[in-house]
Amino acid sequence: DSGVTQTPKHLITATGQRVTLRCSPRSGDLSVYWYQQSLDQGLQFLIQYYNGEERAKGNILERFSAQQFPDLHSELNLSSLELGDSALYFCASSGDDRFGTQYFGPGTRLLVL
Amino acid sequence: QKEVEQDPGPLSVPEGAIVSLNCTYSNSAFQYFMWYRQYSRKGPELLMYTYSSGNKEDGRFTAQVDKSSKYISLFIRDSQPSDSATYLCAMRDTNAGKSTFGDGTTLTVKP
Repeated sequence: DSGVTQTPKHLITATGQRVTLRCSPRSGDLSVYWYQQSLDQGLQFLIQYYNGEERAKGNILERFSAQQFPDLHSELNLSSLELGDSALYFCASSGDDRFGTQYFGPGTRLLVL
Repeated sequence: QKEVEQDPGPLSVPEGAIVSLNCTYSNSAFQYFMWYRQYSRKGPELLMYTYSSGNKEDGRFTAQVDKSSKYISLFIRDSQPSDSATYLCAMRDTNAGKSTFGDGTTLTVKP
């Protein structure tokens, strides 16, 4: 158990809908990262927050947004969902934003029908 | 061209074999190198990390980094069926604050 929690574990929704994925980092970790892992692709970095501020951005679509709250939990919002958004979404946390040894949560499996 | 290229595999070896997993990279700014293990689409689990060129050993696992060649390896000695998983290399540019992952190599260790 990495100490990172993610909810929900599974999510099934329809195209055009909006969903919110939630992540709680390990106790004391200030950085949160979001990744997408599709069947035919590796881990794709989406976005990083550090202590409430956006720190780095990867290949995140405009339909996706994220935030980190004062209690350090983070939410990833996915809107106008498309079939191709079906994937595993992982959250990871680290104690700092530079060296960033990241500890991953169990993931949320999203299926868009 | 991807910044990180990982030998795609899949690899299948008999129990007890020595396994070599490899990644190359193109970004000289990468300073921090990691290996993760991922079972059946679960969350990746950190195996090893290192900052510098050379070898780092942890039990049956050895991570090797050659910055001059931009090449990293993970060796698994006396491989076990429980080592069957996908192995991901990852590299971090600490200034940019971003980690880049390889696509993973799937390893099967047969009893």
